[in-house]
Amino acid sequence: DIVMTQSPDSLAVSLGERVTINCKSSQSLLSSSTNKDYLGWFQQKPGQPPKLLISWASTRGSGVPDRFSGSGSGTDFTLTISSLQAEDVAVYYCQQYYGGPITFGQGTRLELK
Amino acid sequence: EVQMVESGGGLVQPGGSLRLSCTASGFSFGSYYMHWVRQAPGKGLEWVADINQDGRNTHYLDSVKGRFAISRDNALNSGILQMSSLRVEDTAVYYCVRGDGWILDHWGQGQMVTVSS
Repeated sequence: DIVMTQSPDSLAVSLGERVTINCKSSQSLLSSSTNKDYLGWFQQKPGQPPKLLISWASTRGSGVPDRFSGSGSGTDFTLTISSLQAEDVAVYYCQQYYGGPITFGQGTRLELK
Repeated sequence: EVQMVESGGGLVQPGGSLRLSCTASGFSFGSYYMHWVRQAPGKGLEWVADINQDGRNTHYLDSVKGRFAISRDNALNSGILQMSSLRVEDTAVYYCVRGDGWILDHWGQGQMVTVSS
């Protein structure tokens, strides 16, 4: 199975600051046939189901604010929030759908400083 | 509006069975995959099973193979996760998720399944 490892496990950031969350996969998620990375990012607020933020490593989902962006390729990926808003407090998960069972990172808890 | 609504959760003893249902609305159900993803209390996300559009192809997490069965009825816009030989470690919130293939794009609110004596 592909192992997804996120860093950090948690972070506290002030309103308006930039947030960076990293995700590393145990094997490449880049398909040579499609030239796409099979990587998604999710946001889960307390008491709510996860919400898809980004698919294909960098494609924002419908209605997702443009302060959220995804980057990276192969085995190393990043979710960036350009300017933290109060409503962004949540746990963030990366997920691979390249092969084998779908697997998720362990999650990164984002709090306000 | 796309909606996925689960039902059927509850408390069951170890070794028992439970059937989760998922009713979809707001889109053409038969054009999408359906997945089940679970989340143990205070823990992360774990994919459990998926079924393709016509129901002919299914995949399972290794730890539930032979115990869980996923199915769907496109005429009724619904899906089922039949769970048997339940273990304490199956305790979790179970989410029904629409899949654009393996992109998990719309999640239900989840159903709590508690396996305990």
